[in-house]
Amino acid sequence: NAGVTQTPKFRVLKTGQSMTLLCAQDMNHEYMYWYRQDPGMGLRLIHYSVGEGTTAKGEVPDGYNVSRLKKQNFLLGLESAAPSQTSVYFCASSYQRDRSSYGYTFGSGTRLTVV
Amino acid sequence: GQSLEQPSEVTAVEGAIVQINCTYQTSGFYGLSWYQQHDGGAPTFLSYNGLDGLEETGRFSSFLSRSDSYGYLLLQELQMKDSASYFCAVRDGDSNYQLIWGAGTKLIIKP
Repeated sequence: NAGVTQTPKFRVLKTGQSMTLLCAQDMNHEYMYWYRQDPGMGLRLIHYSVGEGTTAKGEVPDGYNVSRLKKQNFLLGLESAAPSQTSVYFCASSYQRDRSSYGYTFGSGTRLTVV
Repeated sequence: GQSLEQPSEVTAVEGAIVQINCTYQTSGFYGLSWYQQHDGGAPTFLSYNGLDGLEETGRFSSFLSRSDSYGYLLLQELQMKDSASYFCAVRDGDSNYQLIWGAGTKLIIKP
């Protein structure tokens, strides 16, 4: 099993450019998440989805949009990149909360630099 | 508000035992989890405590006391490969059951 796959792994954007980060999971998980992690900090939730066709805002949603058209895919879009969005982005997936003992499975991350 | 506190850094010697503490403050508690993250890597799930007590998985154990809003991760027989950051996370009912994350504890292991 591949688990959670994120593309791309690295990207450099100019301020104002847009891009889409792709996340795919093959574990039939219902829930999917997008996090950002900045140096020396924990994970901050950007958006999440509790099922196909549903999305919800997390702690830091401004400047990002998401879509989950298929259960296995969760896309994160940056509409107009800003230097403050320079970060490492992680996608994760999990079963429903009644199976919390299985934890979250994370992708390998996307390192984004906005110049 | 919701918050988790864990030490920013812990140093231990190879072969020894180390305990990483986590205290939390949340409106609705639905379990404490621990994750490991090596430098440049992704977080990986270590353990979950939904009820009070100790859960053991090999060299790692995790403990929870809901009455004290406290938990810890215990690592035994430390190996150099255990050098990593360790995050506690709480599932919170007031946040639509999403995980609230601590800032992480960097574990430094000396030979």
